[in-house]
Amino acid sequence: DAGITQSPRYKITETGRQVTLMCHQTWSHSYMFWYRQDLGHGLRLIYYSAAADITDKGEVPDGYVVSRSKTENFPLTLESATRSQTSVYFCASSEFTTGSGNTIYFGEGSWLTVV
Amino acid sequence: GENVEQHPSTLSVQEGDSAVIKCTYSDSASNYFPWYKQELGKGPQLIIDIRSNVGEKKDQRIAVTLNKTAKHFSLHITETQPEDSAVYFCAASTMYSGGGADGLTFGKGTHLIIQP
Repeated sequence: DAGITQSPRYKITETGRQVTLMCHQTWSHSYMFWYRQDLGHGLRLIYYSAAADITDKGEVPDGYVVSRSKTENFPLTLESATRSQTSVYFCASSEFTTGSGNTIYFGEGSWLTVV
Repeated sequence: GENVEQHPSTLSVQEGDSAVIKCTYSDSASNYFPWYKQELGKGPQLIIDIRSNVGEKKDQRIAVTLNKTAKHFSLHITETQPEDSAVYFCAASTMYSGGGADGLTFGKGTHLIIQP
């Protein structure tokens, strides 16, 4: 049972380049999320998706683009990377909406450094 | 929107002692409060959760208490062990601004250090 897998796990890129972080889940969960984790800020939601072809902004969406053409995949693209986007990115999923008590499952994270 | 405050940011306790981490939330409509543990280099994992119709929940050495009136909840770890060393996040349920779903707002995390 693979769960959620993220790739790449580690990436160094240059300012201005486009970067895509991949996320794949094997549970057929409806909901998927992208969070970024920064020291002093905890986990902040970037984008989420309630189902295929349905996405919406979270707390910090600027500079990011997402898509969800298939239920199991939820890629995150940084269109023109900036140093402020250096962070650890976590993909997550849940079967139903989490507010009613459904567990969010996190991937292992993607460490991104923008130089 | 929901705001979750978590204290302390770092907590160091002697092995075998108890550890308590506290969180407050702002939205009285929040009704679900999970706690996540994150080990170095890993993603967060759910360790315990509590719903608003319950005041306390226990699972072996871990317990969570909820005070809805005061809008605060706490994680209690007894008989701490070296493997309890990690970052712990509290969270509260929240309705996303788009209205399309509800989800979680996280606290900023507590780095728990167990001293041998």
